[in-house]
Amino acid sequence: QSALTQPASVSGSPGQSITISCTGTSSDVGAYNYVSWYQQHPGKAPKLMIYDVTDRPSGVSTRFSGSKSGNTASLTISGLQAEDEADYYCSSYTRSATLEVFGTGTRVTVL
Amino acid sequence: QLQLQESGPGLVKTSETLSLNCTVSGGSISSSIYYWGWIRQPPGAGLEWIGSIYSSGSTYYNPSLKSRVTISVDTSKNQFSLKLNSVTAADTAVYYCARPSRAGAAYGSFEFWGQGTLVSVSS
Repeated sequence: QSALTQPASVSGSPGQSITISCTGTSSDVGAYNYVSWYQQHPGKAPKLMIYDVTDRPSGVSTRFSGSKSGNTASLTISGLQAEDEADYYCSSYTRSATLEVFGTGTRVTVL
Repeated sequence: QLQLQESGPGLVKTSETLSLNCTVSGGSISSSIYYWGWIRQPPGAGLEWIGSIYSSGSTYYNPSLKSRVTISVDTSKNQFSLKLNSVTAADTAVYYCARPSRAGAAYGSFEFWGQGTLVSVSS
């Protein structure tokens, strides 16, 4: 099972919106509405930002939103802030024996 | 608030067994309807789900590691544990314990995480 494909880096200026893509296959992202997104600051544990494609855990800013079309899921960060600078990982259930697969990770830089 | 804390040796010798514990506070593993999992992250790399366990002892493992992994639970200590045998340098990683947000789900949407512990494998 290969990792889900994410762009290595995405950048934006404060206040702008950015979108991170997460491309899988019809056996993972395309097969389930169980895509999650995690934010990870250096040296810290990942933080769940989105689950089940579009849902936000309690306490997560509404500036973070998720969507999915076919085999590609997306995370949009609106009103980009300096604190959003971090690594972001997607994950999905998969029909393969691996059961769950993570993305390759995207470094978000706030210019 | 649910908290998880990993503990164990930070250095393991090649071919030996890596052993980690995760102590849960703010909630009881034995009365929980959730699975409890282990995830690792090699330095500078991405995340990999290792496996998960239910309070009853039911387990799910990543097949890429299944032959070397054992996850167990000790409800009396409110802990669950990871053992990974025959380790090599490729097993050097930060190891996290975590709990999914969805009751009854063994993986996916991990909402609660420990701080992580770096385990280095060296001869």
